[in-house]
Amino acid sequence: LAKITQPISMDSYEGQEVNITCSHNNIATNDYITWYQQFPSQGPRFIIQGYKTKVTNEVASLFIPADRKSSTLSLPRVSLSDTAVYYCLVLNTNAGKSTFGDGTTLTVKP
Amino acid sequence: KAGVTQTPRYLIKTRGQQVTLSCSPISGHRSVSWYQQTPGQGLQFLFEYFSETQRNKGNFPGRFSGRQFSNSRSEMNVSTLELGDSALYLCASSLARQGINEQYFGPGTRLTVT
Repeated sequence: LAKITQPISMDSYEGQEVNITCSHNNIATNDYITWYQQFPSQGPRFIIQGYKTKVTNEVASLFIPADRKSSTLSLPRVSLSDTAVYYCLVLNTNAGKSTFGDGTTLTVKP
Repeated sequence: KAGVTQTPRYLIKTRGQQVTLSCSPISGHRSVSWYQQTPGQGLQFLFEYFSETQRNKGNFPGRFSGRQFSNSRSEMNVSTLELGDSALYLCASSLARQGINEQYFGPGTRLTVT
């Protein structure tokens, strides 16, 4: 299964773009990458999912290079309400098992 | 559309007891996965059920078990509770295969073992 590492914490200011990178060096061919956001006392909330190249939705972009050994979640123009823990998840489709990173605590300051 | 619901939200048990947690997925979702979240170990996958069958299982001892009913509702059971089982247990549902489709998480059940 993929070994996943991501920064423990990041600070930003309102209005800035935030990029959180996740490393998954031994990602397998059939693995998908998903990012979740979690607020205290709540379950994780889906942000975005991808396999390769770039994926964009209304809240974020996900960049995955050709070797797929890392992925970067990009949050444009963050606000105070984006303060949360962000998790990178890799699904091993052969084993059907999910592996979460340890999470990145993003703090957005005014 | 109603979200994923989990009951109970909070639970206190004593070592050696057993516990059953319940999860009701979003209507139409057939896949239900369970996760354990602790400060020390983070989010760890327990198992996944699809159409009443356990499809995948994480690296947890046999004390952790689950099942899924014909209406896709799922229960997980932990027997012979240990202090280390204290955690937030999260349930997530998706339309089809875990991870390939977006997973919707419930609010979790906070289990405290004393």
